[in-house]
Amino acid sequence: DSGVTQTPKHLITATGQRVTLRCSPRSGDLSVYWYQQSLDQGLQFLIQYYNGEERAKGNILERFSAQQFPDLHSELNLSSLELGDSALYFCASSVGGRSSGNTIYFGEGSWLTVV
Amino acid sequence: QKEVEQDPGPLSVPEGAIVSLNCTYSNSAFQYFMWYRQYSRKGPELLMYTYSSGNKEDGRFTAQVDKSSKYISLFIRDSQPSDSATYLCAMEDQAGTALIFGKGTTLSVSS
Repeated sequence: DSGVTQTPKHLITATGQRVTLRCSPRSGDLSVYWYQQSLDQGLQFLIQYYNGEERAKGNILERFSAQQFPDLHSELNLSSLELGDSALYFCASSVGGRSSGNTIYFGEGSWLTVV
Repeated sequence: QKEVEQDPGPLSVPEGAIVSLNCTYSNSAFQYFMWYRQYSRKGPELLMYTYSSGNKEDGRFTAQVDKSSKYISLFIRDSQPSDSATYLCAMEDQAGTALIFGKGTTLSVSS
């Protein structure tokens, strides 16, 4: 158990809908990262938050947004969902604001299926 | 060309074999190199972490980084069925923006 908690574990929704994925980082970790994993693209970095502020942005679509709350939990909002958004979404956390030199711990992921 | 290339396999070996997993990369700014192990439908877990070039050993696992060739390797000695998983290489530049992952190599160790 990495200590990173993600909910829900599985989610099935229809195209055009909006979903919210939730992540609680490990106790004491200030950074939260979101990754998307699909068979064809592998593990893709989406966005990072550090202590409530956006720190880095990767290949995140405009239809997706995230935030980190004062209690350090984070939410990833996915809207206007398309079939191609079906993937495993991981949250990860680390103590520091930069992933280099800090071990990143991954949660178990949230499986999103868009039908 | 993708920043990080990794042969997806699958790689099948008998128990006790030495396994070699590799990644190549194109960004010479990468300084931190990691190997993650991911069991089916689970989150990746960190196996090995190396800064810059050189070797690092941890039990049955050895990580090698050759920055001149932009090539990293993970060796698993005396492989066990419990090593059956997908192995992902990951790397990051000095700015520490984010980890860039390879697509992963699926390893199967048969008893």
